[in-house]
Amino acid sequence: GAVVSQHPSWVICKSGTSVKIECRSLDFQATTMFWYRQFPKQSLMLMATSNEGSKATYEQGVEKDKFLINHASLTLSTLTVTSAHPEDSSFYICSARVGAGEETQYFGPGTRLLVL
Amino acid sequence: GENVEQHPSTLSVQEGDSAVIKCTYSDSASNYFPWYKQELGKGPQLIIDIRSNVGEKKDQRIAVTLNKTAKHFSLHITETQPEDSAVYFCAASKGSNYQLIWGAGTKLIIKP
Repeated sequence: GAVVSQHPSWVICKSGTSVKIECRSLDFQATTMFWYRQFPKQSLMLMATSNEGSKATYEQGVEKDKFLINHASLTLSTLTVTSAHPEDSSFYICSARVGAGEETQYFGPGTRLLVL
Repeated sequence: GENVEQHPSTLSVQEGDSAVIKCTYSDSASNYFPWYKQELGKGPQLIIDIRSNVGEKKDQRIAVTLNKTAKHFSLHITETQPEDSAVYFCAASKGSNYQLIWGAGTKLIIKP
């Protein structure tokens, strides 16, 4: 099956610093990647949709200047949490679509972010 | 917009018994319905999906049924095992943006 990796798996940072999370499709090219955040015991909340070579589309209420998304290649998308604060602490998960016309999303293992 | 409701929020079954999780959706244009299993601290794992042109799909102990008229779909797990314990999410999507609308999740507990 399609494999998606994320790095790092967990990160602890000080308030005010920036954190970058990488999402890679290992055995396929992903024209579209999605970024989610998930709070404990809750469902996934879509943050943004990222298409290779174009600007990400952010969901309502998600600050694009705070959560910078770069989808520079067909196998890599990055999410940078800028000037992180404790309320940004969460589980961040990416997913990727296998290809054009394919609805299936395969998810990465997630990144646990703790902002002190 | 689309809304997906999932029930129950928690389901406890005896090992070996069957488990059924149900979801309803509001947008009749939705045409793709995946089910994901999420273990603690991990990302969701696709376990089965169904498209609107099919009424039922089965993969070993797992099956999904879709009733387009009633706008609901269900996950069936037979002969449950301890490793089936996890949170299960249903979702629905339609059209060209492929965004998934998620149910709230069901925590499945398999009692030994």
